[in-house]
Amino acid sequence: DQQVKQNSPSLSVQEGRISILNCDYTNSMFDYFLWYKKYPAEGPTFLISISSIKDKNEDGRFTVFLNKSAKHLSLHIVPSQPGDSAVYFCAASEDNLFFGTGTRLTVIP
Amino acid sequence: NAGVTQTPKFQVLKTGQSMTLQCAQDMNHNSMYWYRQDPGMGLRLIYYSASEGTTDKGEVPNGYNVSRLNKREFSLRLESAAPSQTSVYFCASSEASTGAAYEQYFGPGTRLTVT
Repeated sequence: DQQVKQNSPSLSVQEGRISILNCDYTNSMFDYFLWYKKYPAEGPTFLISISSIKDKNEDGRFTVFLNKSAKHLSLHIVPSQPGDSAVYFCAASEDNLFFGTGTRLTVIP
Repeated sequence: NAGVTQTPKFQVLKTGQSMTLQCAQDMNHNSMYWYRQDPGMGLRLIYYSASEGTTDKGEVPNGYNVSRLNKREFSLRLESAAPSQTSVYFCASSEASTGAAYEQYFGPGTRLTVT
C-alpha cells in the first residue's frame, strides 16, 4: 500500500500566483520529508526538506509545511514562475525514501 | 563534476535476455540506490548500498541483482528480462543513508523496454 500519496496528478497556476502542492502519508515513523522536482528526461533534483520535529521550512520562493497530526505535507511556491513547470515528488524517510506518485505543475505565463 | 552518470540511456531487450545497467558517482558518496519509475507509481526502491561492500533489498527487488563494485560504482543486473521490467531506472547517491544528510542525487535515468 502506498505510504506517501499525492492525490492531485496535475495543477495549473498563473505566473506570479501561489502554487500549493499537497502530500499525505500514513507512517508516523517517518522522520524526514523531502520534495524533489523532475523535468522530462532528467532525474529528480532535490528542492527542499523538513525534519519531523519542525512544522515549517523556507528557502527563497519555496516553503514546506508539515502537519504531523494530520499526516500532511505541503509545498508552497510563491511567486510561481514558468520555469517551475515540472513534476514534483514528495518523499518521506524511514531508513529509506518512499516517494509519492508526483504532481505535474504547469505555470501559465 | 559529472555527479551521477548512468549507461545506457535507452535499451530494448527481448524477454529472457540479460543486461547490466551501470551507475557511477563522483561525489565520494557512501550510499547508492537503484529505483524504478512506472506511470502512476512514483519511484520505488529496488536495491540500495548503504556503504561500500554492502547491499540490501528495497521495496521491489525481485528479478534484479546488484553489485557495489567500489565506492563509485553500483550496477543493476536483470538476469532474465520480463515485460513487467519495462520502466525507467534511476540510480542515486547520497552522503549517508540516514539523518539530515539524506538528500539523494539522481542520475538522468535509463529507459528500458522489454518486448
